[in-house]
Amino acid sequence: DSGVTQTPKHLITATGQRVTLRCSPRSGDLSVYWYQQSLDQGLQFLIQYYNGEERAKGNILERFSAQQFPDLHSELNLSSLELGDSALYFCASSSVGIYNEQFFGPGTRLTVL
Amino acid sequence: SQQGEEDPQALSIQEGENATMNCSYKTSINNLQWYRQNSGRGLVHLILIRSNEREKHSGRLRVTLDTSKKSSSLLITASRAADTASYFCASDNDMRFGAGTRLTVKP
Repeated sequence: DSGVTQTPKHLITATGQRVTLRCSPRSGDLSVYWYQQSLDQGLQFLIQYYNGEERAKGNILERFSAQQFPDLHSELNLSSLELGDSALYFCASSSVGIYNEQFFGPGTRLTVL
Repeated sequence: SQQGEEDPQALSIQEGENATMNCSYKTSINNLQWYRQNSGRGLVHLILIRSNEREKHSGRLRVTLDTSKKSSSLLITASRAADTASYFCASDNDMRFGAGTRLTVKP
């Protein structure tokens, strides 16, 4: 158990819909990362937050947005969903410091029908 | 683009054999990390090697780093069926992962 929790575990929805994925980092970790993993694209870095502020941006679509709240949990919002958004979405957290080992959550499996 | 690029994409070996996978990266790093992922699960940190280190060991894992070639290798010795997983590398500066190496260890 990494200490990172993600909800829900599974999500099935229809095209055009909007969903919110939630992540609670390990106690004390200030950084949260979001990744998308699909069969044909591998593990794609989406975005990183550090203590509530956006720190780095990866291949995140404009239809997607994220935020980190004062209690450090994070949400990833996916809107106008398309079939191709079906994937595993992982959240990871890390502590302060340059040796930022990431601890991954169990993931949310999103299926868009 | 991805920072870490693993090679080969897939590797199949027999139990007891050694498995070597490679990683190349593009920009300068402070450290490089290797992760393992069992199918459908989150990644698990295996080992970190700092830019001033050339080799590091952890149990059956041996990692080397060549900063002049911007490459690293992960060696798993005396492999077991339980080592079957995907292995990823990532550098610390942006933590972008490559596509990974899918290792299959046949009993």
